[in-house]
Amino acid sequence: QQQVKQSPQSLIVQKGGISIINCAYENTAFDYFPWYQQFPGKGPALLIAIRPDVSEKKEGRFTISFNKSAKQFSLHIMDSQPGDSATYFCASRFSTPLVFGKGTRLSVIA
Amino acid sequence: DAGVTQSPTHLIKTRGQQVTLRCSPKSGHDTVSWYQQALGQGPQFIFQYYEEEERQRGNFPDRFSGHQFPNYSSELNVNALLLGDSALYLCASSPGLMEDTQYFGPGTRLTVL
Repeated sequence: QQQVKQSPQSLIVQKGGISIINCAYENTAFDYFPWYQQFPGKGPALLIAIRPDVSEKKEGRFTISFNKSAKQFSLHIMDSQPGDSATYFCASRFSTPLVFGKGTRLSVIA
Repeated sequence: DAGVTQSPTHLIKTRGQQVTLRCSPKSGHDTVSWYQQALGQGPQFIFQYYEEEERQRGNFPDRFSGHQFPNYSSELNVNALLLGDSALYLCASSPGLMEDTQYFGPGTRLTVL
């Protein structure tokens, strides 16, 4: 069964801290791993994505770490800001539409 | 450049009714996918359209049907609405059937009473 398991369900981080969200997948054929950010009442917006040929990708304050052998990948948000407060979804695919995790609600407090 | 647009924004229907949701893809995109997002859950794939044909389908009953027009816009139809169909319905577009990156619209919030 194609599943993507995401943790934690919710996360509270101090302003300036590092937010870390983890995902694990089952299908070894998956070859594309994006992270989406969703604000209340809005559609998901693509943040950053990685393919399994690299172990890390960084874009600004957002970094994806990828561990192919463990079938896990994670999102790190450096210097977290109150404006980062949103729900984050990991996803995976291989010639199929995206399979999403259940989401992590991030709250960044001052 | 307009992104993915969806209409209507909100919709309230009663059980047994039928509903049609609409989506216009991002400029230059020819592939449209529909997702259902229940409250507190991640989006779940309903189906995908390319060249006016349904190319892939998720685990949704035949009550869910769709259409893609020559201008790449798309409709999602749901018949015989159930309370459990209440959700945010998201449209995503991409510039090709095998393109990984999908861009989502703001969604249509459907409430079934």
